[in-house]
Amino acid sequence: NAGVTQTPKFRILKIGQSMTLQCTQDMNHNYMYWYRQDPGMGLKLIYYSVGAGITDKGEVPNGYNVSRSTTEDFPLRLELAAPSQTSVYFCASSNRPEGQFFGPGTRLTVL
Amino acid sequence: QQPVQSPQAVILREGEDAVINCSSSKALYSVHWYRQKHGEAPVFLMILLKGGEQKGHEKISASFNEKKQQSSLYLTASQLSYSGTYFCGTGGIIQGAQKLVFGQGTRLTINP
Repeated sequence: NAGVTQTPKFRILKIGQSMTLQCTQDMNHNYMYWYRQDPGMGLKLIYYSVGAGITDKGEVPNGYNVSRSTTEDFPLRLELAAPSQTSVYFCASSNRPEGQFFGPGTRLTVL
Repeated sequence: QQPVQSPQAVILREGEDAVINCSSSKALYSVHWYRQKHGEAPVFLMILLKGGEQKGHEKISASFNEKKQQSSLYLTASQLSYSGTYFCGTGGIIQGAQKLVFGQGTRLTINP
């Protein structure tokens, strides 16, 4: 099992550009999550999903969108990138009521 | 409401014990503990549930005081591999998903 995979590993965007961060898990987990982690800080939940077709907002959803068309994939879309979105983005998955398995992260810089 | 962790940082020698605390101003239904090494993803350590149930896959102990709205993580006879930043996450279950708010982290350094 690869676990949770994320692409790309690194990305530099210009202000106003858009991009999609990819996340795939092969553990057949129902629940998937997107977090952002700013330098020296804790994790903040952006969006989560309880299954294909069902998503909901977390703590900091503004400026992001998600979709979940399959159990395996949970892409995160950034529209009109801003410097405040410079962060490390982690995708995670879990089954109830176990711990979350995290992907390796995507380091995003917006200039 | 973000849980508050203490201490913010601690430095130990190998073999010493450490306690990391996590406090919340809201009623706790569950507390989740993760460890993150520099430049890596967080790794699950333990879940403590209201009612006393614990789930974890490492030999780490923790307590959950519902009345005080606190949890503590106990690292005994620390090893070099225990170094990293420890995060607690609190929150509820929404349709089975864990909607967590994480603390700011406690940085643990273990020296030989």
